[in-house]
Amino acid sequence: EAQVTQNPRYLITVTGKKLTVTCSQNMNHEYMSWYRQDPGLGLRQIYYSMNVEVTDKGDVPEGYKVSRKEKRNFPLILESPSPNQTSLYFCASSLRVGWARGTKNIQYFGAGTRLSVL
Amino acid sequence: DAKTTQPPSMDCAEGRAANLPCNHSTISGNEYVYWYRQIHSQGPQYIIHGLKNNETNEMASLIITEDRKSSTLILPHATLRDTAVYYCIVRGADSWGKLQFGAGTQVVVTP
Repeated sequence: EAQVTQNPRYLITVTGKKLTVTCSQNMNHEYMSWYRQDPGLGLRQIYYSMNVEVTDKGDVPEGYKVSRKEKRNFPLILESPSPNQTSLYFCASSLRVGWARGTKNIQYFGAGTRLSVL
Repeated sequence: DAKTTQPPSMDCAEGRAANLPCNHSTISGNEYVYWYRQIHSQGPQYIIHGLKNNETNEMASLIITEDRKSSTLILPHATLRDTAVYYCIVRGADSWGKLQFGAGTQVVVTP
């Protein structure tokens, strides 16, 4: 089954304690991305990766790091979490496709990770 | 990617068709209309997409007006599990990467 898997689903931590949220996809997708979702602000992109060893900042990258050493994995790292990083996080992946009739530029999302930083 | 406008909310009776409108008056010729939905706090889920012809799949139908300035997502027989926020997104066929989610339409299906 095609899927994007995030772990953990729920996490409560304290300020300053480094944490990693893992993301893995089994669809051989080139593109992967992290979003955060906050009430009233919608989904905002944190970082994205176009392929292995290629990453770039999204709209809200401050306080986050990512790496893309393998095509299937794209972990999100919070080196020193702060309370303003309390949020619902989603990982997504898609093919990197070009113009073609009927192109399906579909993104697949993980189930989400609810993070609370105390 | 063109901007979209959706009503903030709508109700639908279980078993009835839900018709969700979306305006995208600035859509350009190579831009597709995509629909995603997000059931409470779950990851967004792709529903359907189209360019100019009407489309149907196992989840929904998409009707795009001839001038392509608006579209309607139809859930033919709404169930309680269809309660979700529905997002209409316009993007070029050669666009990829960040999806620009707006506020969407909160659909509540009632028994």
